[in-house]
Amino acid sequence: QSVLTQPPSASGTPGQRVTISCSGSRSNIGTNFVNWYQQLPGTAPKLLIHSNNQRPSGVPDRFSGSKSGTSASLAISGLQSEDEADYFCAAWDDSLEGPYVFGTGTRVSVL
Amino acid sequence: QVQLVQSGAEVKKPGASVKVSCKTSGYTFTSYNINWVRQAPGQGPEWMGGMDPDSGNTGYAQRFQGRVSMTRDTAIGTAYMELSGLRSEDTATYYCVLILTDSDYWGQGTLVTVSP
Repeated sequence: QSVLTQPPSASGTPGQRVTISCSGSRSNIGTNFVNWYQQLPGTAPKLLIHSNNQRPSGVPDRFSGSKSGTSASLAISGLQSEDEADYFCAAWDDSLEGPYVFGTGTRVSVL
Repeated sequence: QVQLVQSGAEVKKPGASVKVSCKTSGYTFTSYNINWVRQAPGQGPEWMGGMDPDSGNTGYAQRFQGRVSMTRDTAIGTAYMELSGLRSEDTATYYCVLILTDSDYWGQGTLVTVSP
């Protein structure tokens, strides 16, 4: 059902930089802001990045977001063990699919 | 502080309906749209629809049209989501969510299990 495509997994060792991609279309990422969520096991998703590259209060500056055309990326620098979680991109969509669509999700593992 | 507290887990048979409640506090109930998002086991979140608590106007994702209904009781600051014609693939955790520009607030989730 997801209209935003992410790689299923990503991994890195502590201290490394990990990047997650999110591919969409003109009606969602191409037109609207992208949000990123972090989900720890057994909990609700938590907003990590909003409006493409803005961090809510309390989110470490190790997390950063960017957008270009119909794709977006989340980068985690200085990877830490507590970053092991599922990450989802999301965007409002101007088509009949939405209007709020989520990505397929990426599980980040810290080796 | 903003809080969204949902009703407890439900077990339903195929073809039945389920109604989940979302009791809000810590803000003016009519100020923000309430969205409903579900997440099946091992899957990503899926937006089902949203409601303007002030007007009662709703917008549903196309795949739920005709099966979902979102309502509210402004007197007690509570939103409701009812899903009918349940099938096994509706087994999921259902969340009420405030999706604001620079923040969001999620209920704790309600597990709905559909089983014969």
